[in-house]
Amino acid sequence: GEDVEQSLFLSVREGDSSVINCTYTDSSSTYLYWYKQEPGAGLQLLTYIFSNMDMKQDQRLTVLLNKKDKHLSLRIADTQTGDSAIYFCAERNSGNTPLVFGKGTRLSVIA
Amino acid sequence: NAGVTQTPKFQVLKTGQSMTLQCAQDMNHNSMYWYRQDPGMGLRLIYYSASEGTTDKGEVPNGYNVSRLNKREFSLRLESAAPSQTSVYFCASMEGGAGNQPQHFGDGTRLSIL
Repeated sequence: GEDVEQSLFLSVREGDSSVINCTYTDSSSTYLYWYKQEPGAGLQLLTYIFSNMDMKQDQRLTVLLNKKDKHLSLRIADTQTGDSAIYFCAERNSGNTPLVFGKGTRLSVIA
Repeated sequence: NAGVTQTPKFQVLKTGQSMTLQCAQDMNHNSMYWYRQDPGMGLRLIYYSASEGTTDKGEVPNGYNVSRLNKREFSLRLESAAPSQTSVYFCASMEGGAGNQPQHFGDGTRLSIL
């Protein structure tokens, strides 16, 4: 079945860039998403990328997609303490199928 | 601007008790979902409803039932709660169909079974 893999932890210093990586197995994935979960809260959609795109930039966030290797990354420039959270990668193919989520990467930002 | 609303936010139950978790969305979305989140396990899909009148099992449906009461509401029921069902439960909704359709999440229900 479909699977989405992420590393569980990442620690960076404030002001550095963070790169969170994700791999997926479903070659028919149409959309790929990044969600952020702050402590005690639900998941908040950060950004998404369509499978025919290589890159998408949105302010401090850059999403890179390597469709051949089925690899997705989220880069956060100038990481701040407020970026400390769990980041989930998710993929979806067409239709009403539910998103398939990775287990999440816990980002810790050290001041 | 409520989005997805879950009630209650917290609940403590004894083993064997029953409980219904409520979820409502005001975005006129067709599809709704129930997930549970456990440490190190990420989000696991329990049940979903692709459209009003339909429900389907997800990855971990055992011990749960759902009802799609109408287009807005999708409830999750634990008939006989077990300690293994201690978790944080999230409801989500999605417009459905083709195109970019992210899921929108509620704030979660934190459920403890003693």
